[in-house]
Amino acid sequence: LAKTTQPISMDSYEGQEVNITCSHNNIATNDYITWYQQFPSQGPRFIIQGYKTKVTNEVASLFIPADRKSSTLSLPRVSLSDTAVYYCLVGEAGANNLFFGTGTRLTVIP
Amino acid sequence: EAGVAQSPRYKIIEKRQSVAFWCNPISGHATLYWYQQILGQGPKLLIQFQNNGVVDDSQLPKDRFSAERLKGVDSTLKIQPAKLEDSAVYLCASSLDPGQANIQYFGAGTRLSVL
Repeated sequence: LAKTTQPISMDSYEGQEVNITCSHNNIATNDYITWYQQFPSQGPRFIIQGYKTKVTNEVASLFIPADRKSSTLSLPRVSLSDTAVYYCLVGEAGANNLFFGTGTRLTVIP
Repeated sequence: EAGVAQSPRYKIIEKRQSVAFWCNPISGHATLYWYQQILGQGPKLLIQFQNNGVVDDSQLPKDRFSAERLKGVDSTLKIQPAKLEDSAVYLCASSLDPGQANIQYFGAGTRLSVL
């Protein structure tokens, strides 16, 4: 499993775009990059997954440069309800053992 | 579509007592996972089932933890006897098939406090 490094915490004001970067220098050819979101008192929730370039869904965008050694989760115009812990995971699509790490605690300020 | 169901939501026990948690995965999901999440940390995989067979239990403390998924649907995780360091949230997750194992659906978890 490729090791990931992401900021421990971030603060943002409501309405701003938030970018959370994850480093994964040892990513393997078959690895995907997957992001989860966890609200207090809830289990993690899958947000987005990508392999290269850019992926966008109704929740977020995921930007992956050509060398794939990092990725950036972009949350457009955050609201207070986006306050959560965001986890970056790297592994094969069929990887059994998801390693969550400590994640990035995002606090959205009014 | 119903999500992953877990019960109870909270449990308080004294050390050396036994406790059991129940999980019902999303209908049709063949793979079921149990995670332990200690406060301030990310979830850590304890055991993974594919249908009713164990795929990975390398991080399960087998001297006190056990889990089963007898009919390949719902599952129970048991701790006997509990220790103070077992205080954590126990999360159950499921995924549709092994090829998409990195996309998992989690329940709300059971918060265990061992006194």
